[in-house]
Amino acid sequence: ELKVEQNPLFLSMQEGKNYTIYCNYSTTSDRLYWYRQDPGKSLESLFVLLSNGAVKQEGRLMASLDTKARLSTLHITAAVHDLSATYFCAVNNAGNMLTFGGGTRLMVKP
Amino acid sequence: DAGITQSPRHKVTETGTPVTLRCHQTENHRYMYWYRQDPGHGLRLIHYSYGVKDTDKGEVSDGYSVSRSKTEDFLLTLESATSSQTSVYFCAISAIRADYGYTFGSGTRLTVV
Repeated sequence: ELKVEQNPLFLSMQEGKNYTIYCNYSTTSDRLYWYRQDPGKSLESLFVLLSNGAVKQEGRLMASLDTKARLSTLHITAAVHDLSATYFCAVNNAGNMLTFGGGTRLMVKP
Repeated sequence: DAGITQSPRHKVTETGTPVTLRCHQTENHRYMYWYRQDPGHGLRLIHYSYGVKDTDKGEVSDGYSVSRSKTEDFLLTLESATSSQTSVYFCAISAIRADYGYTFGSGTRLTVV
């Protein structure tokens, strides 16, 4: 059974600081997805990582995938208040299903 | 973009009544999914469909049934609603292999009283 773990579950940080969210998963998969969710809203796709070593960047966010270590990271550079949200990683497994991590609630303080 | 829509957006129902949630897509994607989101549990898969009339159970399928009679629509039915089914329900769609990811609907907030 595929398990996906994120840490930390909650992150409070100052504007301008850098931080990394980690996503570990338990079985082999070469597809990993990052989503953002604002309170009361749906999930917004951030990154689709399809191969080992994949790295994608959008603004202050950068995601990477190491399939051998079964680890993905979401790095935040010089955080701003607008990045406050909950971030989920999700892994594709057999049958094209997604299994989600528990989410990381990010709060960026001025 | 309105490639996927869910209805209703909000619903309050009484314990023991049947409830049906609808997911409609205009992307002609093969795969459709129903997830529920609860505090402390993230998103958990209820049922999914890999084609018309082809469905299978997910992690938390007890008390739920689904139907897909055409590509565009995927219905989730709570056969006899219970308070433990109070949740936010999300529908998602994906193409084969999901190279472009999964697209989620806006969600249905269901309260069972």
